[in-house]
Amino acid sequence: GENVEQHPSTLSVQEGDSAVIKCTYSDSASNYFPWYKQELGKRPQLIIDIRSNVGEKKDQRIAVTLNKTAKHFSLHITETQPEDSAVYFCAAEPGNTGKLIFGQGTTLQVKP
Amino acid sequence: DAGITQSPRHKVTETGTPVTLRCHQTENHRYMYWYRQDPGHGLRLIHYSYGVKDTDKGEVSDGYSVSRSKTEDFLLTLESATSSQTSVYFCAISGRTSGANTQYFGPGTRLTVL
Repeated sequence: GENVEQHPSTLSVQEGDSAVIKCTYSDSASNYFPWYKQELGKRPQLIIDIRSNVGEKKDQRIAVTLNKTAKHFSLHITETQPEDSAVYFCAAEPGNTGKLIFGQGTTLQVKP
Repeated sequence: DAGITQSPRHKVTETGTPVTLRCHQTENHRYMYWYRQDPGHGLRLIHYSYGVKDTDKGEVSDGYSVSRSKTEDFLLTLESATSSQTSVYFCAISGRTSGANTQYFGPGTRLTVL
């Protein structure tokens, strides 16, 4: 079955710097890759997603890139702010299964 | 937030007792999911439903059962709770519009099994 690995598990940056979180997946049939942000004590919320027919997608300060050949995708956050501090999860949908397989999460700390 | 509620929000129970968690949606979405979240493990899928009375197992289904008799409700049952089932449980829904499995999460239920 699909396996999603996420790195790093923790990431600390200075306010204004960029942050990059990387995920790899194992199932070449995976075709949808969302990213979720979870603040302490809250529910995960979708921040951006990408489908397998697209290589890059941007939304203001966040962007996601996908390399299907290498089976990895990354989240890029520019000009980080303290409110970006949270746990971030990547996920992949293997084929057309209707399921999402999540990575283990990355705790991002943005220091003011 | 999408129209998803979970009940109860917090529960403390004893080992061996049955527990049922409820997820209710007002979005008329076809797909519903139950996840558990534990430190270091991210979100792990327990069971999911792709329609009324249509369910399937996820990654960590042992010890759990589900039922979906109406579009809006998805129940998760722990037949005999164990301490290893202490966790935060999230329900999610998806309409799978345009082929994208965008899932929206409920507020979560914190379950403690003593």
